[in-house]
Amino acid sequence: AQSVTQLDSHVSVSEGTPVLLRCNYSSSYSPSLFWYVQHPNKGLQLLLKYTSAATLVKGINGFEAEFKKSETSFHLTKPSAHMSDAAEYFCVVSGNYKLSFGAGTTVTVRA
Amino acid sequence: SQTIHQWPATLVQPVGSPLSLECTVEGTSNPNLYWYRQAAGRGLQLLFYSVGIGQISSEVPQNLSASRPQDRQFILSSKKLLLSDSGFYLCAWSVLPTGGFNSPLHFGNGTRLTVT
Repeated sequence: AQSVTQLDSHVSVSEGTPVLLRCNYSSSYSPSLFWYVQHPNKGLQLLLKYTSAATLVKGINGFEAEFKKSETSFHLTKPSAHMSDAAEYFCVVSGNYKLSFGAGTTVTVRA
Repeated sequence: SQTIHQWPATLVQPVGSPLSLECTVEGTSNPNLYWYRQAAGRGLQLLFYSVGIGQISSEVPQNLSASRPQDRQFILSSKKLLLSDSGFYLCAWSVLPTGGFNSPLHFGNGTRLTVT
């Protein structure tokens, strides 16, 4: 069995400040992990994926995530938020031919 | 490069009417195809997936059905829509079945369905 928990349903940041979106997972298998972003009325776009080659994963638009096996976490960060980062973000764990989506974190960016 | 097209973007249908949503993928062969529904406050729910032509797996029993008449075409249908069918429907594809290492899903732009 596997599951993913996004610890914050909503995050609000000021433009130019760091963004942290928290994700914890559980899996009986060696998981693959992904972060997706969804802008209003759009599909989900892949931000980055964990391949097990490196624990720090860099993605598009300046995002990165760090895999910590001991903490079963895969938190997403960005050093400086931009207005265009306002969207919903999903953490996803994949294992045993099943995908589990987190409930999502809505990011608001204040000018 | 691979692209995924989904249409229509929005649809308003009365209760009891039929439904047909289409999804096509270009630039790849034998993709794994998926239909998800995203209802407000309920996250993403996998409805159907297909690993090949004519091969459909249903994840939840409901008022909907799916078909894959061609390698890169995936259709979501209903004979009679219910109010509870309203939602945001997303088509996606992947190279490997979900769970395959390093094989993420690639999503279309979705269809907003409102059943009135």
